[in-house]
Amino acid sequence: KNQVEQSPQSLIILEGKNCTLQCNYTVSPFSNLRWYKQDTGRGPVSLTIMTFSENTKSNGRYTATLDADTKQSSLHITASQLSDSASYICVVSGPSGGYNKLIFGAGTRLAVHP
Amino acid sequence: DSGVTQTPKHLITATGQRVTLRCSPRSGDLSVYWYQQSLDQGLQFLIQYYNGEERAKGNILERFSAQQFPDLHSELNLSSLELGDSALYFCASSPGRLNTEAFFGQGTRLTVV
Repeated sequence: KNQVEQSPQSLIILEGKNCTLQCNYTVSPFSNLRWYKQDTGRGPVSLTIMTFSENTKSNGRYTATLDADTKQSSLHITASQLSDSASYICVVSGPSGGYNKLIFGAGTRLAVHP
Repeated sequence: DSGVTQTPKHLITATGQRVTLRCSPRSGDLSVYWYQQSLDQGLQFLIQYYNGEERAKGNILERFSAQQFPDLHSELNLSSLELGDSALYFCASSPGRLNTEAFFGQGTRLTVV
């Protein structure tokens, strides 16, 4: 069964600290993996997208890694800011009849405290 | 701005009623996805359309239906509404090809009273 599991479910850190969020998936076949940031009550916004051949991708203070062999990804946030408080969602897609099928993780809720 | 437009932004209605949520995808995007997000829950996939045809179905109730029109906009119809249907409903669009990104609208907040 295609699944995406994220950990931890929630996380509280102090402003300025780093943190790492985890995503394990069993989706097969695999096309790409995306990390989204969702502010409360808003639509998710893409942070990074990685295909099978990419190991790491950065977007400012966000760095995503992908190990396609172990089917694991991580999102590392450096020097956290209060505005990083949000849910971070891992989404894995794979081909299904020639179209993209998206499998969502449940998300990690991050709270950055001053 | 993602380029995906959802209307209305907010909707309050009574139990037993029927509502229609509308989504205009980004220009040129052929795929439209609908998601439901209840309070403090993750995004639950409802249904996907590609160029007017239903492509994938998730946990969509029989009381819910959707369609994608020739101009590619999509509508999600929710009927016989229950209190538990109160949620944020998101639409996303993508070109539909592999390894392309999905862009989300800002959602419609439905409150059933």
